[in-house]
Amino acid sequence: DVKVTQSSRYLVKRTGEKVFLECVQDMDHENMFWYRQDPGLGLRLIYFSYDVKMKEKGDIPEGYSVSREKKERFSLILESASTNQTSMYLCASSIPGSSPLHFGNGTRLTVT
Amino acid sequence: DAKTTQPNSMESNEEEPVHLPCNHSTISGTDYIHWYRQLPSQGPEYVIHGLTSNVNNRMASLAIAEDRKSSTLILHRATLRDAAVYYCILRDVGTGGFKTIFGAGTRLFVKA
Repeated sequence: DVKVTQSSRYLVKRTGEKVFLECVQDMDHENMFWYRQDPGLGLRLIYFSYDVKMKEKGDIPEGYSVSREKKERFSLILESASTNQTSMYLCASSIPGSSPLHFGNGTRLTVT
Repeated sequence: DAKTTQPNSMESNEEEPVHLPCNHSTISGTDYIHWYRQLPSQGPEYVIHGLTSNVNNRMASLAIAEDRKSSTLILHRATLRDAAVYYCILRDVGTGGFKTIFGAGTRLFVKA
């Protein structure tokens, strides 16, 4: 089974801090994704990557950046955390095309 | 990007079949229909996907309308463990499946 591991389940940070959310997948998938999930809004795509060092903006990239230095690892960076970035963050991976997305169990980030 | 429409919630009795509907009237020829479910405190889990023909797997069945503008996820015998939020999404193989849009999904309640 594909495993997508997010480094933290819960994280509490202060406004203005730089925050790193890490995601690792073990199935050599080319594609990796970062979503955030908020009540009533479903999952919204922040960034995705289709190869090492390649990244594309999703629907809500403002306030975020990403890094993919190795194929198995995709990091989401909040340059200066704000309270409106309090959310559940979900990482996913897949092979290209129509194949299933495989999700991690999420990181619930609270910014105070 | 094509979107999907699902009822906000549905209720079922345990051990009865459940039919979860999804409308996707703007589907394109290269969109695959995917279903995921999300249990509390977990990331979404892949259930099933298809393009034109009906599909069966150990978890569920997927019935796709002939014009592909709607589909139905069928759980043959609901159990309490099937209580979750079910998402119907479209993955466009023509664009690599990157910009996959999730709606709010259907929350399924299962009564014992």
